[in-house]
Amino acid sequence: VLTQSPGTLSLSPGERATLSCRASQSVTSTFLAWYQHKPGQAPRLLIYSASNRAPGIPDRFSGSGSGTDFTLTISRLEPEDFAMYYCQHYGGSPEYRRYTFGHGTKLEIK
Amino acid sequence: EVRLVQSGAEVRRPGESLKISCETSGYSFTGHWIGWVRQMPGKDLEWMGIVYPDDSDTRYSPSFQGQVTVSADKSISAAYLQWSSLKASDTAIYYCARGGGEEGKKQWLVPFDFWGQGTLVTVSS
Repeated sequence: VLTQSPGTLSLSPGERATLSCRASQSVTSTFLAWYQHKPGQAPRLLIYSASNRAPGIPDRFSGSGSGTDFTLTISRLEPEDFAMYYCQHYGGSPEYRRYTFGHGTKLEIK
Repeated sequence: EVRLVQSGAEVRRPGESLKISCETSGYSFTGHWIGWVRQMPGKDLEWMGIVYPDDSDTRYSPSFQGQVTVSADKSISAAYLQWSSLKASDTAIYYCARGGGEEGKKQWLVPFDFWGQGTLVTVSS
């Protein structure tokens, strides 16, 4: 189980956002991703392997963490960054796959 | 440019069947897993199943095993999600998503790097 906090984060453009994802048991950081999702749009991969930015993702987005605690940081919020954010663990075994998403954090304009 | 384009919104009655599609372009379709993810109204993203188009290797989340069928047609680079008997609780947005990783390596421990725009399925009597 992945628990994201806070459920809602109200900030202003230009501020720093820190989003948390906590796993109920230790996960390999190699298999932790973050997505951005806006209403009516396709989700967008931001970070994979906990800290690697996906191609085309601005460097204001960064990921960190290991074990059970992971963080997505947006250094300086732009208007287009207000959206839902999900963490995901991809793992399990070849026979029993697990692609588990967190409950999400809504990043809204204050 | 990698693109996943899903079929349009559907309205069905309980008990009816349905097959929705995900047409892909811009990459080698047979070289990446394609997964399906459900988002019920106001709820979280849930992984349903995944297919490797090259050999049709298919895996399901235990929550969806037996409830849906995931498939792929490599001749037209399309993936499908189908139901034989819909329930009202199947009302949701369904997304297809490409598994990342190196093309052709059949890597499954990968994030979903490209997504479709979603298909809204409404099941109501």
